[in-house]
Amino acid sequence: DSGVTQTPKHLITATGQRVTLRCSPRSGDLSVYWYQQSLDQGLQFLIQYYNGEERAKGNILERFSAQQFPDLHSELNLSSLELGDSALYFCASSRDTNTEAFFGQGTRLTVV
Amino acid sequence: QKEVEQDPGPLSVPEGAIVSLNCTYSNSAFQYFMWYRQYSRKGPELLMYTYSSGNKEDGRFTAQVDKSSKYISLFIRDSQPSDSATYLCAMILNTGGFKTIFGAGTRLFVKA
Repeated sequence: DSGVTQTPKHLITATGQRVTLRCSPRSGDLSVYWYQQSLDQGLQFLIQYYNGEERAKGNILERFSAQQFPDLHSELNLSSLELGDSALYFCASSRDTNTEAFFGQGTRLTVV
Repeated sequence: QKEVEQDPGPLSVPEGAIVSLNCTYSNSAFQYFMWYRQYSRKGPELLMYTYSSGNKEDGRFTAQVDKSSKYISLFIRDSQPSDSATYLCAMILNTGGFKTIFGAGTRLFVKA
């Protein structure tokens, strides 16, 4: 157990809908990262937060947004969902921005 | 050219073999190096974290970093069928801020 908690584990929703994925980082970790992994694909970096502030942005669609709250948990919001958004979404956390990251078990999103 | 190159494999070896997994990088600003193991549809699990050239050993795993050649390796001794997974290298780039880059991952199969 990495100490990073993601909910829900599975999510099935229809095209055009909006969902929110939640991540609780390891105790003491200030940095949170979001990644997308489609079937048999590599990890695609979406966005990083550090102590509540956006620190880096990757290939994140405009339909997607995220935030990190004062208690350091983070949420990834996905809207106007398309079939191609079906993927595993991973959250990771690290103590600082130059330390190793620990991953949660992911949320499997299926858009039908 | 990608910042981090990793052969996707697949790599198939018999049980008990020594496995060598490699990544190369092009930017000398990479300072921290990690290896993750990812079982199918699970979150990546951190195996090794290092920041200096040389070897770091942990059980059957040895991480090797050669900063002069911009090359990192993970060796697995006495490989087991349970080692069958995708192995991802990751590196943290220091360009004023820190940015983590993942390799594409190498799929390993260890045959009993």
